[in-house]
Amino acid sequence: GAVVSQHPSRVICKSGTSVKIECRSLDFQATTMFWYRQFPKKSLMLMATSNEGSKATYEQGVEKDKFLINHASLTLSTLTVTSAHPEDSSFYICSARTGGGDGYTFGSGTRLTVV
Amino acid sequence: RKEVEQDPGPFNVPEGATVAFNCTYSNSASQSFFWYRQDCRKEPKLLMSVYSSGNEDGRFTAQLNRASQYISLLIRDSKLSDSATYLCVVASGSARQLTFGSGTQLTVLP
Repeated sequence: GAVVSQHPSRVICKSGTSVKIECRSLDFQATTMFWYRQFPKKSLMLMATSNEGSKATYEQGVEKDKFLINHASLTLSTLTVTSAHPEDSSFYICSARTGGGDGYTFGSGTRLTVV
Repeated sequence: RKEVEQDPGPFNVPEGATVAFNCTYSNSASQSFFWYRQDCRKEPKLLMSVYSSGNEDGRFTAQLNRASQYISLLIRDSKLSDSATYLCVVASGSARQLTFGSGTQLTVLP
């Protein structure tokens, strides 16, 4: 089946640094990729919708200058958390629609800890 | 009002019990409906899609009532391995974005 590979799975960084998270669709082309964030004991919250070759669409309250999304190819989307702060510590997950129907494949998630 | 609302639980049930989860959604234009399960510190995994006609997959039965904007999941003969958080998920919009409920935590006890 369709696979989305997400890296890194876990990262610890210092406050003020930037972290890049990659999601690759391994055996299909992902025109659209979704980026979610999940805080402990909370549900997934959509941050942005990433479209190949165009600007991402950010949800209300998500700072586009802080969470940079690049979707330069049909198989790769990246999320860069810039100038990370401890409150950015969270579980970040990407997802892509597979095929034309209602199939969605999730990456395995990235656990970010900012110290 | 949250777009997708679920009872957070936790539900603690003995093995073999039947347990039901409920969910309501606010966007009447929502197009597709799902139940996902999420194990601790893992990504969500699709359990089943939900249709108005109701659908069953083994011990799991899902139901959708579009008029009431209500979705349900029934788990029969629960197993220890069913312990997880169950997420009610709705797809809407031109990009069919998924909106997740806050999840219902289930623990099946031996």
